[in-house]
Amino acid sequence: QSALTQPPSVSGSPGQSITISCTGTSSDIGGYKYVSWYQQHPGKVPKVIIYDVGHRPSGVSNRFSGSKSGNTASLTISDLQAEDEADYYCSSYTDNTNVIFGGGTKVTVL
Amino acid sequence: EVQLLESGGGVIRPGGSLRLSCAASGFKFDNYGLSWVRQVPGKGLEWVAGLNWNGKSQGYGESVQGRFTISRDNAKNSLFLQMTSLRVEDTALYYCARHGDIYYFQYVDVWGKGTTVTVSS
Repeated sequence: QSALTQPPSVSGSPGQSITISCTGTSSDIGGYKYVSWYQQHPGKVPKVIIYDVGHRPSGVSNRFSGSKSGNTASLTISDLQAEDEADYYCSSYTDNTNVIFGGGTKVTVL
Repeated sequence: EVQLLESGGGVIRPGGSLRLSCAASGFKFDNYGLSWVRQVPGKGLEWVAGLNWNGKSQGYGESVQGRFTISRDNAKNSLFLQMTSLRVEDTALYYCARHGDIYYFQYVDVWGKGTTVTVSS
């Protein structure tokens, strides 16, 4: 099963909002609520920032929000800040009792 | 403090076998699903295998299906990954990961630091 499809890179200026898309199929994103997003800074382990499509773990900034429409999930980062520069990965449960990640998106703060 | 500590990585020849271990501490181990996730340096995350709190429901990534076996010992707070028929493309940093609930398809809320597996002739 191929990875979920994410844009390789997204950039924005401080204060702007950016959105990262994550496209799958009805067998994964479209069929389940178990979509999560992870932030990974260079040399660090990933950190969950969104789970179950749009829920934010305690301690995660409310500048991060998630949503889903059909087979595509989206992560929006509002009021972009320098510390948001990182790699972002989406993940979803799939029909065949597996888990799948997206290919990752590098966010650059201009 | 919640911790996951991986061990067992190393250099192995193609076709060989290796067993990774993950020692957990700081939480009630049998309340959580667990997975192994790998990452080639500079590349993306790849889910390898996962299992529920009691080990009775498991799943595997397509690239490792039939070669890797995930298991857990709740009495010893430990997770394992038995890897056989290793290939060069299995070379990666392997993370032990705890899920947010008893199922392995929930989000990952705790990650270990990883153990490196290098498959090379």
